[in-house]
Amino acid sequence: DAGITQSPRHKVTETGTPVTLRCHQTENHRYMYWYRQDPGHGLRLIHYSYGVKDTDKGEVSDGYSVSRSKTEDFLLTLESATSSQTSVYFCAIRGQGDDIQYFGAGTRLSVL
Amino acid sequence: AQKITQTQPGMFVQEKEAVTLDCTYDTSDPSYGLFWYKQPSSGEMIFLIYQGSYDQQNATEGRYSLNFQKARKSANLVISASQLGDSAMYFCAMREGGGGGSNYKLTFGKGTLLTVNP
Repeated sequence: DAGITQSPRHKVTETGTPVTLRCHQTENHRYMYWYRQDPGHGLRLIHYSYGVKDTDKGEVSDGYSVSRSKTEDFLLTLESATSSQTSVYFCAIRGQGDDIQYFGAGTRLSVL
Repeated sequence: AQKITQTQPGMFVQEKEAVTLDCTYDTSDPSYGLFWYKQPSSGEMIFLIYQGSYDQQNATEGRYSLNFQKARKSANLVISASQLGDSAMYFCAMREGGGGGSNYKLTFGKGTLLTVNP
């Protein structure tokens, strides 16, 4: 157990509404990641963080923003949700000196 | 071009037999790492095994081994003595650039759905 909690686990929202997903970790890991998983695409990186207030874009960052104001929390925000953002969102962590990424349980988001 | 290619959308294997899941990768970086993850129907992503590009020996973790053929750019996962609980989606992934303390991202393949038959 890598001590990662994602919330909410499930969410249904309407097009145009803002949505924030939270990733919380308890083991002081420096690196945190947000991925989305869609059928036929595997997992694709949205944004990642390499420290407090240090973030960068991934492969599919359009329409998403992130924030990391403290080590334990990495927030993913959809400013104005669209149906194309219906997906399963995974948070991951990686420790300093460790090559392995460990994943949270995922958040299933439906945008109607 | 895809960086990670998993050519088998689905595979079937009999319980207790061995199975190989294929993964080829594309990178020009001399330093990279290859990973396999398992995703059962419950949805969580479970790390299985890791191979670094400079590792001399193939990685093994219990019933899992990674058949690393650097010249062919392949990193196939071998599961020995399959069990019903091995039925899941399996993802191959790669990180490019230095590992350890440096910053890196993972690129995933599209996955292979393995079904173990009794």
